[in-house]
Amino acid sequence: AQKITQTQPGMFVQEKEAVTLDCTYDTSDPSYGLFWYKQPSSGEMIFLIYQGSYDQQNATEGRYSLNFQKARKSANLVISASQLGDSAMYFCAMRGWDGQNFVFGPGTRLSVLP
Amino acid sequence: NAGVTQTPKFQVLKTGQSMTLQCAQDMNHNSMYWYRQDPGMGLRLIYYSASEGTTDKGEVPNGYNVSRLNKREFSLRLESAAPSQTSVYFCASSPWDSRGETQYFGPGTRLLVL
Repeated sequence: AQKITQTQPGMFVQEKEAVTLDCTYDTSDPSYGLFWYKQPSSGEMIFLIYQGSYDQQNATEGRYSLNFQKARKSANLVISASQLGDSAMYFCAMRGWDGQNFVFGPGTRLSVLP
Repeated sequence: NAGVTQTPKFQVLKTGQSMTLQCAQDMNHNSMYWYRQDPGMGLRLIYYSASEGTTDKGEVPNGYNVSRLNKREFSLRLESAAPSQTSVYFCASSPWDSRGETQYFGPGTRLLVL
Protein backbone atom coordinates (compact mmCIF):
# COMPACT_ATOMS: atom_id res chain seq x y z
CA ALA A 1 0.00 0.00 0.00
CA GLN A 2 1.10 3.53 -0.65
CA LYS A 3 1.35 6.11 2.08
CA ILE A 4 2.33 9.76 2.29
CA THR A 5 3.51 11.32 5.55
CA GLN A 6 3.71 15.04 6.22
CA THR A 7 4.94 15.53 9.77
CA GLN A 8 4.55 19.31 9.97
CA PRO A 9 0.92 20.24 10.66
CA GLY A 10 1.83 23.93 10.58
CA MET A 11 4.80 26.05 9.57
CA PHE A 12 5.61 29.73 9.84
CA VAL A 13 8.03 31.61 7.62
CA GLN A 14 9.02 35.22 7.33
CA GLU A 15 8.22 36.93 4.06
CA LYS A 16 11.10 36.70 1.53
CA GLU A 17 12.70 33.77 3.33
CA ALA A 18 12.87 30.19 2.03
CA VAL A 19 10.91 27.34 3.63
CA THR A 20 11.01 23.57 3.30
CA LEU A 21 7.90 21.44 3.66
CA ASP A 22 8.59 17.81 4.43
CA CYS A 23 7.12 14.79 2.69
CA THR A 24 8.05 11.15 3.04
CA TYR A 25 6.41 8.32 1.20
CA ASP A 26 6.15 4.58 1.27
CA THR A 27 5.61 2.42 -1.78
CA SER A 28 6.75 -0.84 -3.28
CA ASP A 29 6.03 0.31 -6.81
CA PRO A 30 9.08 0.37 -9.08
CA SER A 31 7.92 3.56 -10.71
CA TYR A 32 5.84 6.39 -9.34
CA GLY A 33 5.20 10.10 -9.50
CA LEU A 34 5.26 12.64 -6.70
CA PHE A 35 3.23 15.83 -6.71
CA TRP A 36 2.73 18.91 -4.59
CA TYR A 37 -0.52 20.87 -4.49
CA LYS A 38 -1.45 24.14 -2.88
CA GLN A 39 -4.87 24.76 -1.38
CA PRO A 40 -5.52 28.40 -0.45
CA SER A 41 -8.34 29.39 1.86
CA SER A 42 -10.64 29.68 -1.15
CA GLY A 43 -10.50 25.89 -1.37
CA GLU A 44 -9.31 25.09 -4.88
CA MET A 45 -6.49 22.62 -5.45
CA ILE A 46 -3.58 24.05 -7.41
CA PHE A 47 -0.89 21.85 -8.92
CA LEU A 48 2.63 23.11 -8.14
CA ILE A 49 5.30 20.63 -9.14
CA TYR A 50 5.95 17.03 -10.22
CA GLN A 51 8.87 14.64 -9.72
CA GLY A 52 9.16 11.27 -11.42
CA SER A 53 10.85 8.47 -9.55
CA TYR A 54 13.36 7.94 -12.37
CA ASP A 55 14.07 11.61 -12.97
CA GLN A 56 17.76 12.29 -12.49
CA GLN A 57 17.37 15.92 -11.56
CA ASN A 58 15.24 17.58 -8.93
CA ALA A 59 12.21 19.33 -10.36
CA THR A 60 11.93 23.11 -10.33
CA GLU A 61 9.04 25.41 -11.21
CA GLY A 62 9.75 29.06 -10.61
CA ARG A 63 10.05 29.60 -6.86
CA TYR A 64 9.20 25.95 -6.17
CA SER A 65 11.73 23.16 -6.15
CA LEU A 66 11.48 19.58 -5.05
CA ASN A 67 14.30 18.06 -2.99
CA PHE A 68 13.98 14.41 -4.03
CA GLN A 69 15.96 11.83 -2.10
CA LYS A 70 14.90 8.47 -3.43
CA ALA A 71 16.87 6.32 -1.04
CA ARG A 72 15.30 8.12 1.91
CA LYS A 73 11.89 8.17 0.23
CA SER A 74 11.53 11.87 0.75
CA ALA A 75 10.22 14.56 -1.58
CA ASN A 76 10.42 17.87 0.24
CA LEU A 77 9.04 21.06 -1.28
CA VAL A 78 11.23 24.14 -1.10
CA ILE A 79 9.63 27.53 -1.59
CA SER A 80 12.14 30.32 -2.11
CA ALA A 81 11.49 33.98 -1.38
CA SER A 82 8.16 33.38 0.36
CA GLN A 83 5.29 35.73 -0.38
CA LEU A 84 2.18 36.50 1.63
CA GLY A 85 0.15 34.78 -1.06
CA ASP A 86 1.97 31.52 -0.30
CA SER A 87 -0.03 31.16 2.91
CA ALA A 88 -2.09 28.02 2.30
CA MET A 89 -2.34 24.29 2.90
CA TYR A 90 0.21 22.24 0.99
CA PHE A 91 -0.37 18.61 0.09
CA CYS A 92 2.12 16.03 -1.05
CA ALA A 93 0.69 13.24 -3.22
CA MET A 94 1.87 10.15 -5.02
CA ARG A 95 0.66 8.35 -8.12
CA GLY A 96 1.66 4.73 -8.30
CA TRP A 97 2.72 2.19 -10.91
CA ASP A 98 -0.72 1.68 -12.38
CA GLY A 99 -1.10 5.38 -12.94
CA GLN A 100 -4.53 5.39 -11.40
CA ASN A 101 -4.49 5.75 -7.69
CA PHE A 102 -3.45 9.04 -6.16
CA VAL A 103 -2.65 9.07 -2.44
CA PHE A 104 -2.48 12.35 -0.53
CA GLY A 105 -0.75 13.28 2.68
CA PRO A 106 -2.55 15.12 5.52
CA GLY A 107 -1.09 18.47 4.51
CA THR A 108 0.98 21.25 6.05
CA ARG A 109 -0.48 24.67 6.75
CA LEU A 110 2.03 27.35 5.83
CA SER A 111 1.68 30.85 7.20
CA VAL A 112 3.86 33.60 5.77
CA LEU A 113 4.48 36.45 8.18
CA PRO A 114 4.98 40.05 7.00
CA ASN B 1 -12.41 25.61 -21.87
CA ALA B 2 -13.99 25.25 -18.41
CA GLY B 3 -11.77 22.43 -17.13
CA VAL B 4 -13.55 20.44 -14.42
CA THR B 5 -16.95 21.65 -13.29
CA GLN B 6 -19.00 20.44 -10.33
CA THR B 7 -22.60 21.00 -9.35
CA PRO B 8 -23.92 21.96 -6.93
CA LYS B 9 -21.43 24.18 -5.11
CA PHE B 10 -23.19 23.77 -1.80
CA GLN B 11 -25.91 21.44 -0.51
CA VAL B 12 -27.68 20.80 2.78
CA LEU B 13 -29.33 17.42 3.26
CA LYS B 14 -31.24 15.76 6.04
CA THR B 15 -30.17 12.36 7.26
CA GLY B 16 -31.57 9.69 4.95
CA GLN B 17 -32.01 11.91 1.93
CA SER B 18 -30.34 11.05 -1.34
CA MET B 19 -28.55 13.23 -3.85
CA THR B 20 -26.22 13.09 -6.82
CA LEU B 21 -23.13 15.22 -7.24
CA GLN B 22 -22.35 15.99 -10.84
CA CYS B 23 -18.92 16.36 -12.41
CA ALA B 24 -17.92 17.09 -15.98
CA GLN B 25 -14.61 17.72 -17.72
CA ASP B 26 -13.91 19.09 -21.17
CA MET B 27 -10.24 18.13 -21.46
CA ASN B 28 -10.86 14.71 -23.06
CA HIS B 29 -9.29 12.98 -20.06
CA ASN B 30 -9.74 9.27 -19.63
CA SER B 31 -9.48 9.10 -15.84
CA MET B 32 -11.83 10.71 -13.35
CA TYR B 33 -11.88 10.67 -9.56
CA TRP B 34 -14.03 11.54 -6.59
CA TYR B 35 -12.44 12.61 -3.30
CA ARG B 36 -13.71 13.82 0.02
CA GLN B 37 -11.86 16.26 2.23
CA ASP B 38 -12.77 16.49 5.87
CA PRO B 39 -11.80 19.55 7.93
CA GLY B 40 -8.05 19.85 8.43
CA MET B 41 -7.33 16.69 6.48
CA GLY B 42 -6.05 15.62 3.12
CA LEU B 43 -8.06 14.15 0.30
CA ARG B 44 -9.33 10.60 0.47
CA LEU B 45 -10.27 8.75 -2.68
CA ILE B 46 -13.85 7.51 -2.83
CA TYR B 47 -14.07 6.07 -6.34
CA TYR B 48 -12.25 6.46 -9.59
CA SER B 49 -12.85 5.62 -13.22
CA ALA B 50 -9.89 4.75 -15.40
CA SER B 51 -11.93 5.00 -18.56
CA GLU B 52 -15.48 5.23 -19.80
CA GLY B 53 -17.44 2.24 -18.59
CA THR B 54 -15.14 1.30 -15.70
CA THR B 55 -15.21 2.27 -12.05
CA ASP B 56 -13.19 1.14 -9.06
CA LYS B 57 -13.36 1.64 -5.32
CA GLY B 58 -10.93 3.88 -3.57
CA GLU B 59 -10.08 4.19 0.10
CA VAL B 60 -13.54 5.18 1.42
CA PRO B 61 -16.30 3.89 -0.92
CA ASN B 62 -18.92 2.88 1.65
CA GLY B 63 -22.15 4.83 1.36
CA TYR B 64 -21.45 6.02 -2.17
CA ASN B 65 -22.12 4.91 -5.71
CA VAL B 66 -20.74 6.30 -8.94
CA SER B 67 -21.62 6.36 -12.60
CA ARG B 68 -19.30 7.13 -15.48
CA LEU B 69 -22.01 8.31 -17.83
CA ASN B 70 -19.67 9.01 -20.71
CA LYS B 71 -16.11 10.21 -21.13
CA ARG B 72 -16.98 13.69 -19.89
CA GLU B 73 -19.19 12.98 -16.91
CA PHE B 74 -18.68 11.16 -13.62
CA SER B 75 -21.38 11.38 -10.96
CA LEU B 76 -21.33 10.50 -7.27
CA ARG B 77 -24.51 9.39 -5.53
CA LEU B 78 -25.35 9.29 -1.86
CA GLU B 79 -28.31 6.94 -1.48
CA SER B 80 -29.02 7.64 2.19
CA ALA B 81 -26.99 10.54 3.52
CA ALA B 82 -25.47 10.38 7.00
CA PRO B 83 -23.90 13.15 9.11
CA SER B 84 -20.54 11.41 8.69
CA GLN B 85 -20.73 12.28 5.01
CA THR B 86 -20.55 15.98 5.77
CA SER B 87 -17.48 17.01 3.83
CA VAL B 88 -16.13 18.84 0.81
CA TYR B 89 -16.24 16.69 -2.30
CA PHE B 90 -13.76 17.19 -5.10
CA CYS B 91 -13.93 15.75 -8.57
CA ALA B 92 -10.74 15.48 -10.60
CA SER B 93 -9.65 14.26 -13.99
CA SER B 94 -6.36 13.17 -15.50
CA PRO B 95 -5.01 11.86 -18.78
CA TRP B 96 -4.58 8.09 -18.88
CA ASP B 97 -1.59 6.11 -17.70
CA SER B 98 1.07 8.72 -17.51
CA ARG B 99 2.50 8.89 -14.05
CA GLY B 100 3.77 12.35 -14.84
CA GLU B 101 0.35 13.78 -15.46
CA THR B 102 -1.25 15.67 -12.65
CA GLN B 103 -4.90 15.71 -11.77
CA TYR B 104 -7.05 18.69 -12.53
CA PHE B 105 -9.54 19.49 -9.81
CA GLY B 106 -13.00 20.97 -9.81
CA PRO B 107 -13.93 23.73 -7.36
CA GLY B 108 -15.53 21.34 -4.88
CA THR B 109 -19.00 20.75 -3.45
CA ARG B 110 -19.61 21.53 0.20
CA LEU B 111 -22.10 19.05 1.64
CA LEU B 112 -23.72 19.39 5.04
CA VAL B 113 -25.82 16.50 6.33
CA LEU B 114 -28.00 17.34 9.31
